[in-house]
Amino acid sequence: QKEVEQNSGPLSVPEGAIASLNCTYSDRVSQSFFWYRQYSGKSPELIMSIYSNGDKEDGRFTAQLNKASQYVSLLIRDSQPSDSATYLCVALQTGANNLFFGTGTRLTVIP
Amino acid sequence: DGGITQSPKYLFRKEGQNVTLSCEQNLNHDAMYWYRQDPGQGLRLIYYSQIVNDFQKGDIAEGYSVSREKKESFPLTVTSAQKNPTAFYLCASSSWGTGITYEQYFGPGTRLTVT
Repeated sequence: QKEVEQNSGPLSVPEGAIASLNCTYSDRVSQSFFWYRQYSGKSPELIMSIYSNGDKEDGRFTAQLNKASQYVSLLIRDSQPSDSATYLCVALQTGANNLFFGTGTRLTVIP
Repeated sequence: DGGITQSPKYLFRKEGQNVTLSCEQNLNHDAMYWYRQDPGQGLRLIYYSQIVNDFQKGDIAEGYSVSREKKESFPLTVTSAQKNPTAFYLCASSSWGTGITYEQYFGPGTRLTVT
């Protein structure tokens, strides 16, 4: 199993809907997780980090961590066309400060 | 403005030439990293440095070299030994130490094309 696995998509949602992005992880990662957004041709931008079991909300974004099931998700409420990007699920390697990157899920928000 | 700068944005080189990519940060971060990204693939770690004058190989260090003479700067040299150098190169930085969160922040990237 890869350390971090994402559904590569693509995922399409209509404007105003909730977009749900999911990620599973292996035992090789620690309990620190990050979601990055990457627009085409640009560098990744950190949008959320989560370290504790449960939900963390920041504006339209909610990150969810379920340690028992080893998955982490990102919900985007009221999706906008400007949210169209690739979203990277990233986890910290256990015992190090290196990151494991998922291959990303491409999200398209349809106006 | 605090941030990470990379230059140049686009770089074209002939096969067999070494090329150096610049990365500078003014975030006062101790750790700096180099990644490459290929189309449809995740980021792969080339080298990282946690402190001045020290650096470690990542997953794909062959054909690359780095230096860390200043805290703010972490240049990457792509040598002629790198078999497939055309890629998008990303530099990142983070805090480093006990009890911190290791959030990495990325520069804008350099797109290298070797023909």
